[in-house]
Amino acid sequence: DGGITQSPKYLFRKEGQNVTLSCEQNLNHDAMYWYRQDPGQGLRLIYYSQIVNDFQKGDIAEGYSVSREKKESFPLTVTSAQKNPTAFYLCASRPDSYNSPLHFGNGTRLTVT
Amino acid sequence: EDQVTQSPEALRLQEGESSSLNCSYTVSGLRGLFWYRQDPGKGPEFLFTLYSAGEEKEKERLKATLTKKESFLHITAPKPEDSATYLCAVQAGTYKYIFGTGTRLKVLA
Repeated sequence: DGGITQSPKYLFRKEGQNVTLSCEQNLNHDAMYWYRQDPGQGLRLIYYSQIVNDFQKGDIAEGYSVSREKKESFPLTVTSAQKNPTAFYLCASRPDSYNSPLHFGNGTRLTVT
Repeated sequence: EDQVTQSPEALRLQEGESSSLNCSYTVSGLRGLFWYRQDPGKGPEFLFTLYSAGEEKEKERLKATLTKKESFLHITAPKPEDSATYLCAVQAGTYKYIFGTGTRLKVLA
């Protein structure tokens, strides 16, 4: 089955530690995205990547980093510089035709204490 | 400024009681409007794409419509399994998507 796999589903970390969230897709999509979802707020864009070895900052990139070494993979690192990292993180990808919906994974819930 | 506003924030319906969810948008160049369903703890599931005013899409008990300023998601004779959060998003640029905050729908048996 084609789709987007995010792992792990739940992640717990201590404050001050970096943590990496995994996102893998087998849809052969070029574009991939990371969003953050908080209660009462719309999805907010962290980073997106149009193609391998290229990525762009979104609206709330501070405290986050990404890499795109393979078409299938777009991991997100939440660094200790992110002031409020506890949230639900969603990875998405998009078909190559430009005017298309995003397809989402099932998210990772990160809790930092 | 590009913006998407969904209303109401929450909606409780009795099973079989039809209603509509609203998504109003302000965007300089609409490339597409998308509806998603999101269940608790899961990622959004794509439902519909609308590209131009007057367009309608239908799937089971759901029907999405689009005007130049807003979109409606009509739910006909809902069932408890339709309970979810419904998200609206607009594509405002080649890679730019703007999401509303969603409508939480609860259908009571």
